[in-house]
Amino acid sequence: DTGVSQDPRHKITKRGQNVTFRCDPISEHNRLYWYRQTLGQGPEFLTYFQNEAQLEKSRLLSDRFSAERPKGSFSTLEIQRTEQGDSAMYLCASSFYEEQYFGPGTRLTVT
Amino acid sequence: KNEVEQSPQNLTAQEGEFITINCSYSVGISALHWLQQHPGGGIVSLFMLSSGKKKHGRLIATINIQEKHSSLHITASHPRDSAVYICAVSNFGNEKLTFGTGTRLTIIP
Repeated sequence: DTGVSQDPRHKITKRGQNVTFRCDPISEHNRLYWYRQTLGQGPEFLTYFQNEAQLEKSRLLSDRFSAERPKGSFSTLEIQRTEQGDSAMYLCASSFYEEQYFGPGTRLTVT
Repeated sequence: KNEVEQSPQNLTAQEGEFITINCSYSVGISALHWLQQHPGGGIVSLFMLSSGKKKHGRLIATINIQEKHSSLHITASHPRDSAVYICAVSNFGNEKLTFGTGTRLTIIP
C-alpha cells in the first residue's frame, strides 16, 4: 500500500499522559499536513511541513503540542499532558502539488 | 462567520434522486476541494477545481469564482454514496486546507 499511513489508529489515554502519533506520507510528497477533527465538525489545520521545515503552526497548537519531520520523511505529533479536550481524530495528509492525500487518522480518546 | 459554509448540514434522499450540496467561501482561494469522508474517518479527495466544471462518473463539481460558490452534484444517487461530503479551500502559498463543517448525506434504498 503506497498511501499515507498513520499509527496508531486508535489511542486511549488517561488525562495528563503524553501521546505520540506517527504519519508516513507518500514517499515522493514533500508537503505534510496535520489536521484535527472533533465530532460533527470539519477538520482544522494544525501544522504544515515542507520537507523537514515546519512552515506554519495554527494558534490551535498550544505549547503542549509539538510536531517534527526529521529528514523530511515521516512525521510525529506529540501531545504532552493530555486534556479531555484533546479527544479528537488526528489526520495527516501529504501532497506534492495542491491535491492532498489523507491517511486514515488516529482517533484519540482522553479519559 | 466561518470562511467556508456548506449547506445543507444533513440531507436524506431516496435512491436515484439528484443530489446538490452547496459551498460558499469568503476568502481568496487558489483551489476548491470536494472531499468524501466515510464512517471511521478516512477522507478521499473527489475534486480539486479552480474554475468551471469537472465530472467524474456520477459526480459533477462546479465553481463560480465571481460569486465564491461551488456545488457538488450526484446523479442517480445510490446508498453507497452515503457519507459526509466536505468542501475545503486552499490559499496561494502553502495550500493548507480550510474546511467547511460537512454535509451528511444518507441515501435510502
